[in-house]
Amino acid sequence: GENVEQHPSTLSVQEGDSAVIKCTYSDSASNYFPWYKQELGKRPQLIIDIRSNVGEKKDQRIAVTLNKTAKHFSLHITETQPEDSAVYFCAASGFLGAQKLVFGQGTRLTINP
Amino acid sequence: DTEVTQTPKHLVMGMTNKKSLKCEQHMGHRAMYWYKQKAKKPPELMFVYSYEKLSINESVPSRFSPECPNSSLLNLHLHALQPEDSALYLCASSQAYAGLGNQPQHFGDGTRLSIL
Repeated sequence: GENVEQHPSTLSVQEGDSAVIKCTYSDSASNYFPWYKQELGKRPQLIIDIRSNVGEKKDQRIAVTLNKTAKHFSLHITETQPEDSAVYFCAASGFLGAQKLVFGQGTRLTINP
Repeated sequence: DTEVTQTPKHLVMGMTNKKSLKCEQHMGHRAMYWYKQKAKKPPELMFVYSYEKLSINESVPSRFSPECPNSSLLNLHLHALQPEDSALYLCASSQAYAGLGNQPQHFGDGTRLSIL
């Protein structure tokens, strides 16, 4: 089955700097890659997603890139703000997977003022 | 505001109790999910319902029994749980796969379950 690895497990950046979180997946059939943000005690919130027919997607300060050959995808947050502090999870889902999301282990992002 | 509503928000139960978790969505989604999340871990899929039929059971113990009475509601019936079942139980919904490709899943706020 699918396996998703996420790095780093913790990340601390200065406010205004950029943050990058990387994930690799094992199943070449995976074709959908969402990113979720989870603040303490709250639900996972979808912040951006990308499909395998697209190499990059951007939404304001957030962007995701996908390299299908290398089977890795990354989340980029620019001009970080204190409210970006949270745990971020990447996930992958396969074409025949009936919407079975497999999550990475998460990255705790801390934005230092 | 979350469009997936879960009740109760908190639940404390003994190992011999029977209780149910409820999830409701009114987005017209035909796929609904139960996840279990332990502290500092990612959500872990338990069950998937597609068009009110169980399509995935991730080898979950029979003390967890899901039910999808209609397209808007999803229940998780609990019986004879163990202390290690204490966790946050998340419900999610999405458009059904049905050839559209994988669709975004939207989560509720969860039920925090404690087993005494």
